[in-house]
Amino acid sequence: DAKTTQPPSMDCAEGRAANLPCNHSTISGNEYVYWYRQIHSQGPQYIIHGLKNNETNEMASLIITEDRKSSTLILPHATLRDTAVYYCIVINYGQNFVFGPGTRLSVLP
Amino acid sequence: EAGVAQSPRYKIIEKRQSVAFWCNPISGHATLYWYQQILGQGPKLLIQFQNNGVVDDSQLPKDRFSAERLKGVDSTLKIQPAKLEDSAVYLCASSQTPDRGSSYNEQFFGPGTRLTVL
Repeated sequence: DAKTTQPPSMDCAEGRAANLPCNHSTISGNEYVYWYRQIHSQGPQYIIHGLKNNETNEMASLIITEDRKSSTLILPHATLRDTAVYYCIVINYGQNFVFGPGTRLSVLP
Repeated sequence: EAGVAQSPRYKIIEKRQSVAFWCNPISGHATLYWYQQILGQGPKLLIQFQNNGVVDDSQLPKDRFSAERLKGVDSTLKIQPAKLEDSAVYLCASSQTPDRGSSYNEQFFGPGTRLTVL
């Protein structure tokens, strides 16, 4: 079973920041938080991952709370092409990904 | 860099028929995965190969599903005989072997094969 809880769907206005929450209250000290997304009719695509510190790359920012029980993926300026299902996954080194149902983000014009 | 290739993209078969899917991973990627994704759900891992050896096939329904990765490159996934509940998208992914102690574990996914069993 997935170790994370995400809202099933969210809307965001084009050009605004999209903030996607993820709850992982049972995360252990060695487990990482990974985010993938899946655009319609494509395979999932890696976005970002982190352990404790906040992370940023060219796609998104990952904010992890100090107690590590939740995190937020931030798309700073959402575009229509960001419409997708976003998966938050918690795994340890050497483990395989367990995908939950994710959050369906709809970016509206 | 070429991505993960899969074929066919779509397949429609009758129940009890057989079907095979093919995957060509990214060159140099030692690890290959097959996932099953039922409509509305996240992908579920069926089998993981490291080179041509099986690492994890705990969720593969071995009475009807089989997979092989001869020579540690291409892979095929077969279903024989198919059932209605096998209707899904079958995704192949590949990754490099993570460096020991590294947290980076990016899997690259192909476009998938959409199977419909009638």
